[in-house]
Amino acid sequence: TQLLEQSPQFLSIQEGENLTVYCNSSSVFSSLQWYRQEPGEGPVLLVTVVTGGEVKKLKRLTFQFGDARKDSSLHITAAQPGDTGLYLCAGEDAGGTSYGKLTFGQGTILTVHP
Amino acid sequence: EAQVTQNPRYLITVTGKKLTVTCSQNMNHEYMSWYRQDPGLGLRQIYYSMNVEVTDKGDVPEGYKVSRKEKRNFPLILESPSPNQTSLYFCASAPSNYASGEQYFGPGTRLTVT
Repeated sequence: TQLLEQSPQFLSIQEGENLTVYCNSSSVFSSLQWYRQEPGEGPVLLVTVVTGGEVKKLKRLTFQFGDARKDSSLHITAAQPGDTGLYLCAGEDAGGTSYGKLTFGQGTILTVHP
Repeated sequence: EAQVTQNPRYLITVTGKKLTVTCSQNMNHEYMSWYRQDPGLGLRQIYYSMNVEVTDKGDVPEGYKVSRKEKRNFPLILESPSPNQTSLYFCASAPSNYASGEQYFGPGTRLTVT
């Protein structure tokens, strides 16, 4: 079973601060996704990264996939209260017979105070 | 409206009483999957299906069954529920037949087994 270690588990910051969430594994993933989940709802996809070293930007959010496709990070610039939520990373197995199998990290609960 | 629906949304049952949670999507998606979400553990994949009549185990399949007789439906069956299956369950679908396609999640089913 592949594991994805996500850190930190909890993050409480003031509006305007920057933050980074990390997702690490000893396994190689064919792709990695980041989701955001609000209370009472299902996760919503933010981005998918598939190429080692890939960087994608979504407004104030920057996502990076490690060169070896074993780790990823989410960086938020100038956080706003609307960024508050649970952030989840998820990796798809790179094994030839395991496409479709998705492993999630434990999640990071982000709270941005006004 | 494109969506994934789950029923019921809330269920309280007793140990050993068979139950089925239904999942349906109206987007003609190839891929469907079931997850359970527990505090501190993130989402864990139970089963997934890359097409009709094709199902595979995720990380925590024990105690669950699934079937994919039609493209739109992917029911989750608990033959003999136990208290450790108390959890929040999510169904998801994706347009491509691998997990790195964007997954659309249902609203969740909160199950309590006493």
